Amino acid sequence: DSGVTQTPKHLITATGQRVTLRCSPRSGDLSVYWYQQSLDQGLQFLIHYYNGEERAKGNILERFSAQQFPDLHSELNLSSLELGDSALYFCASSVGMGVTNTGELFFGEGSRLTVL
Amino acid sequence: LAKTTQPISMDSYEGQEVNITCSHNNIATNDYITWYQQFPSQGPRFIIQGYKTKVTNEVASLFIPADRKSSTLSLPRVSLSDTAVYYCLVGGLGGSSNTGKLIFGQGTTLQVKP
Repeated sequence: DSGVTQTPKHLITATGQRVTLRCSPRSGDLSVYWYQQSLDQGLQFLIHYYNGEERAKGNILERFSAQQFPDLHSELNLSSLELGDSALYFCASSVGMGVTNTGELFFGEGSRLTVL
Repeated sequence: LAKTTQPISMDSYEGQEVNITCSHNNIATNDYITWYQQFPSQGPRFIIQGYKTKVTNEVASLFIPADRKSSTLSLPRVSLSDTAVYYCLVGGLGGSSNTGKLIFGQGTTLQVKP
């Protein structure tokens, strides 16, 4: 157990719909990262938040948005869903802003989104 | 940003030592090198991290040459359960490469055969 909690674990929805994925980081971790992993693909970096502020964006679509709340949990909002958005969405947390010399990114088990 | 390059796939047999090399030619001074393991439908899991020379823990060793432009993950005596995708990640606090983007490469799929 990494200590990172993601909900829901599975989600099936239709094209055009909107969903929200939730991530609770490890206790004490200030950074939250979101990644998308399509079938048999690598991890695509979406966005990074640190202590409530957006720090970096990757190839995140305009239909997607995220935020980190004062209690440090984060939500990833996906709207106008398309078939190609079907993927595993991972959240990771870390103490600092990047890979630190004390450790690592801690990943949740992911939220599997299926768009029909 | 330090881009990483790894072999797409590798095969090995149980009991053998496996070495996976990652190239990161434009690594920045403050960047650390971290390796992760991912099983299907699971989140990646930390294996080992280093800055230079050699680091060893209970599961792996990490070799980093003096120029730090590459790194090699060494898995001793692999078993079937080591079949997974292995990613190297380069990044760190401060320095020009730290933009908050921690970008994974395509990873190396290791298949361990009996």
